[in-house]
Amino acid sequence: RKEVEQDPGPFNVPEGATVAFNCTYSNSASQSFFWYRQDCRKEPKLLMSVYSSGNEDGRFTAQLNRASQYISLLIRDSKLSDSATYLCVVTNYQLIWGAGTKLIIKP
Amino acid sequence: DAGVIQSPRHEVTEMGQEVTLRCKLISGHNSLFWYRQTMMRGLELLIYFNNNVPIDDSGMPEDRFSAKMPNASFSTLKIQPSEPRDSAVYFCASSSSGETGELFFGEGSRLTVL
Repeated sequence: RKEVEQDPGPFNVPEGATVAFNCTYSNSASQSFFWYRQDCRKEPKLLMSVYSSGNEDGRFTAQLNRASQYISLLIRDSKLSDSATYLCVVTNYQLIWGAGTKLIIKP
Repeated sequence: DAGVIQSPRHEVTEMGQEVTLRCKLISGHNSLFWYRQTMMRGLELLIYFNNNVPIDDSGMPEDRFSAKMPNASFSTLKIQPSEPRDSAVYFCASSSSGETGELFFGEGSRLTVL
């Protein structure tokens, strides 16, 4: 079992819809959690950190479920510009990257 | 402030040739990461430096790969001799808080080995 697992997608979603995807991790001692966004042929960039209480940044909401060992990302009112690959990152003294979930927003 | 700067952005070389990739960290950052990304294997950590010292090089594929940090702001990744399976995008990233905080990536060096 991989340490960090994501559904590779692609998720094909109409513009304006709400989309959510999860990332599961195997090490219960993991300490920090992040979502990165990577556009096609570009470098990954931090989208948001994930806090225990959950956090929101505009249309984006990130949540952590320690009991079930997953983090989630919810995107509301999706835009064409949200099309990208979303990578989750989990740390336990080292960064462990998921393989990414590809999101395609269609007009 | 300038971000992480990588060079070259693209390199096409023939099998057996030496390849040197370069990275300049963001000023004030003390951690540097070299990653390789391919469609098949995703993002793989090659090596991680903290304060110029290699902390984790377990991801370095084999002796053909070597990385150095001659000073606090600059690093090189060398592949000698290069092989077609080394074709990938190589990213350098820096951080001010090691492996617990945000990583800032360069735009990557796209390597093609023929």
